Amino acid sequence: DGGITQSPKYLFRKEGQNVTLSCEQNLNHDAMYWYRQDPGQGLRLIYYSQIVNDFQKGDIAEGYSVSREKKESFPLTVTSAQKNPTAFYLCATEIGGIHSNQPQHFGDGTRLSIL
Amino acid sequence: SQKIEQNSEALNIQEGKTATLTCNYTNYSPAYLQWYRQDPGRGPVFLLLIRENEKEKRKERLKVTFDTTLKQSLFHITASQPADSATYLCALDIESTNAGKSTFGDGTTLTVKP
Repeated sequence: DGGITQSPKYLFRKEGQNVTLSCEQNLNHDAMYWYRQDPGQGLRLIYYSQIVNDFQKGDIAEGYSVSREKKESFPLTVTSAQKNPTAFYLCATEIGGIHSNQPQHFGDGTRLSIL
Repeated sequence: SQKIEQNSEALNIQEGKTATLTCNYTNYSPAYLQWYRQDPGRGPVFLLLIRENEKEKRKERLKVTFDTTLKQSLFHITASQPADSATYLCALDIESTNAGKSTFGDGTTLTVKP
């Protein structure tokens, strides 16, 4: 989606390694989200943030961490505690809060694989 | 917790026909429901949003219905084209919970054959 940049597009993780996925937006949206998508499945919420310096766990937060130091940026770290990290990771933004009746805008994802 | 079921993983239709995709949910009635399109290797793209007090919404060749009695939404693509081939996701939002944003279905992959 225009205005949301996820990088890198492909990422490989060695065992025991932490990796960080980048999500940057220039839409001036308040809320940002991280989802995980496994083949043939829908999106599962990892973390979300409504404002700077605040974030909440989603349904599958274990093994992940986030920060929201700037409105534009919401990086996701996949830690070594996440034993099955291979998936497609999607970052999304929303103009209002989590119940704003507005659609989400998605980046084009990062595909993470284990070496 | 909310559960969403989208009809069959894959739907194959002939060009020009109407594609109908189903999204069924259990438990709480959502405040609103959204449909997204996802192409391989890309993020979902928003298509339509329908609120609980709306029965139908249209946008060009797309139509969404929302039946809170049946707990079901139908998504129609009329005069389908091969370019409509993609995975379509429905997502529900419940205002009564602070558990996060939308709950997504697993998607239905539509293939329109020329």
